[in-house]
Amino acid sequence: GAVVSQHPSWVICKSGTSVKIECRSLDFQATTMFWYRQFPKQSLMLMATSNEGSKATYEQGVEKDKFLINHASLTLSTLTVTSAHPEDSSFYICSVRAVRTGDSYEQYFGPGTRLTVT
Amino acid sequence: GNSVTQMEGPVTLSEEAFLTINCTYTATGYPSLFWYVQYPGEGLQLLLKATKADDKGSNKGFEATYRKETTSFHLEKGSVQVSDSAVYFCALVKGAQKLVFGQGTRLTINP
Repeated sequence: GAVVSQHPSWVICKSGTSVKIECRSLDFQATTMFWYRQFPKQSLMLMATSNEGSKATYEQGVEKDKFLINHASLTLSTLTVTSAHPEDSSFYICSVRAVRTGDSYEQYFGPGTRLTVT
Repeated sequence: GNSVTQMEGPVTLSEEAFLTINCTYTATGYPSLFWYVQYPGEGLQLLLKATKADDKGSNKGFEATYRKETTSFHLEKGSVQVSDSAVYFCALVKGAQKLVFGQGTRLTINP
């Protein structure tokens, strides 16, 4: 499967600052990547779909001006949390839409980024 | 819409016990079905998959069979190890639609 990396793996920032998280597809050219958010002991919540060369598609209830997504190349998508607040503290995971098996596509996930806003 | 329901956790077993984690789904047609595993502090890893009815996915001693008649994809392992302690997510995808996850089942294996 596809190998996906995220950077940084964890970050602490002060309230009001912005944080950028990178998601890289190391061995696969990904036209579509996804950004998820996971709260402790909960499942993953899809935030947005990142499409190379075009604007991201955000899920209902996700503020597009707060969570800026850029997918400028086939191997890199970035998520910028702008003016972060403590309630933005969470585990952010990206994934790559990769191999098509049968009628559907598989997704491969990055290791996640733990964001703590103080 | 499509949905996935997993058995409620947490599940606690002794080493070498038999494991079953139930998963049922609701979807039209024939979605692809997956089990992902998440170890503490990490992202999700694809554990196994099945793309059509009666397919059996297997990996690392885990198995799951795609049962169309019962819309199920239960995860099983004959003898669990402490290192299997993790959260397990059942998921489905249909075509180019979004991946739909179950709520996750936390598994703890005691030595």
